[in-house]
Amino acid sequence: QSALTQPASVSGSPGQSITISCTGTSSDVGSYELVSWYQQHPGKAPKLMIHEGTRRPSGVSDRFSGSKSGNTASLTISGLQAEDEARYYCSSYAGRGTLVFGGGTNLTVL
Amino acid sequence: EVQLVESGGGLVQPGRSLRLSCAASGFTFDDYAMHWVRQAPGKGLEWVSGISWNSGSIAYADSVKGRFTISRDSAKNSLSLQMNSLRAEDTALYYCVKDRNYDTLTYGMDVWGQGTTVTVSS
Repeated sequence: QSALTQPASVSGSPGQSITISCTGTSSDVGSYELVSWYQQHPGKAPKLMIHEGTRRPSGVSDRFSGSKSGNTASLTISGLQAEDEARYYCSSYAGRGTLVFGGGTNLTVL
Repeated sequence: EVQLVESGGGLVQPGRSLRLSCAASGFTFDDYAMHWVRQAPGKGLEWVSGISWNSGSIAYADSVKGRFTISRDSAKNSLSLQMNSLRAEDTALYYCVKDRNYDTLTYGMDVWGQGTTVTVSS
C-alpha cells in the first residue's frame, strides 16, 4: 500500500488550464478504472470532484476533467478561478478492498 | 439532508483504546459501503478501513491491521471504528465517509463527515 505520487504544487493564472498528475503502479492505477479526485480547502472536509477516472458528480463544474494513461491518472482544471485554489488528492482502488491516496497537490491561482 | 456525524475522539495514552462512531442520515445506509479516512495534522489523507453494505467485505490499511476493527449497525444507521493499541502516529482527524458503491471496490467517496480528532499522547 504505497502512496500514489503527485507533484507537491502546481500554479496557474486565472483563465488558464492546469493538470495534476497521479502516478501509481500496475497494482492500483494501472489495473482499475477507479481513480477519484478530491478537492480540500483549508479546514474543510474533502469534496469528490471526479470518480471512476473520468466521471463528474452532479454539481461539479465541467471545468474539471479526469483521464488516465497506463499507471498515471490526471486531473485537468480549465478556466482557472480563484475558488479553485485548494489541495487536491487522487485515490485509487488497490485490490482486495483497499484504497490508496496520493500525497496531495497544492494548487495556487496566481 | 445527507449527513455523517462522527463522535468519540479525544486524548488517549499510547497503548490504550478508543471507539469512534459515525451517525448517518439522509440516505439509505444499508445500500452503501462506508470508510474511515484519517488526516494527521498538516498531512495528507490516509485511507484506514472500509466495509461493504452487508459487512461481507472488510479491509484495512497495513498501518492499522490487527489493531483497528470496523463495524456497522444497520438498525442504528451507524458506523464504528474500534481502535486498540493506539500509537502516537495514529494521531489524526478521522473522517467517516460514504462510498458511491455498495462494495469496498470503491467508486468514489461522495459524502464526508466533519471528522473527529484523536490525539495519542502521554
